[in-house]
Amino acid sequence: KQEVTQIPAALSVPEGENLVLNCSFTDSAIYNLQWFRQDPGKGLTSLLLIQSSQREQTSGRLNASLDKSSGRSTLYIAASQPGDSATYLCAVNTPLVFGKGTRLSVIA
Amino acid sequence: ETGVTQSPTHLIKTRGQQVTLRCSSQSGHNTVSWYQQALGQGPQFIFQYYREEENGRGNFPPRFSGLQFPNYSSELNVNALELDDSALYLCASSLGSYNSPLHFGNGTRLTVT
Repeated sequence: KQEVTQIPAALSVPEGENLVLNCSFTDSAIYNLQWFRQDPGKGLTSLLLIQSSQREQTSGRLNASLDKSSGRSTLYIAASQPGDSATYLCAVNTPLVFGKGTRLSVIA
Repeated sequence: ETGVTQSPTHLIKTRGQQVTLRCSSQSGHNTVSWYQQALGQGPQFIFQYYREEENGRGNFPPRFSGLQFPNYSSELNVNALELDDSALYLCASSLGSYNSPLHFGNGTRLTVT
């Protein structure tokens, strides 16, 4: 059974700092991995999708990497801003199996 | 391009009642998935519909049922509501492939008292 773990559960950083969020999964036989952002009480916004054959994807200040063999993914956020404050969720496959998320606070 | 829309946004029901949640998929998408997200948890897969047929189901009891219509919109029905059914219910649509990204709606917040 696939299990997804995200560390840390919560993170608070000053504005402008670069940061890394971690995601690990137990079964390396995945089709893809997706990173989402969730604002309080809202739905999920897709940030990046990495296919199983890819190693990384970039969008603006975001960069996600995937290492299938070790069952890990990281989401790198450069030059963090207060507007980045949200919960970040990673999920693998279809149907998606989610981690519990990392709650990020960026302090101005 | 119209995104995924869900209705209602909030709902309060009493234990034992029945509820129907609705979802309109993004234009051009033929697959709809439903997820339940309890407070502080990641979303849990309920089931998926592809071209009006159930195409996968998570670990949820039969009192959770669904439909997909010819226009690819979908309903989630929950019978005999329990207190633990209180959660955010999320609908996501995609263009029917394992490698297509899912696009989520803003969810329906269900409270069971």
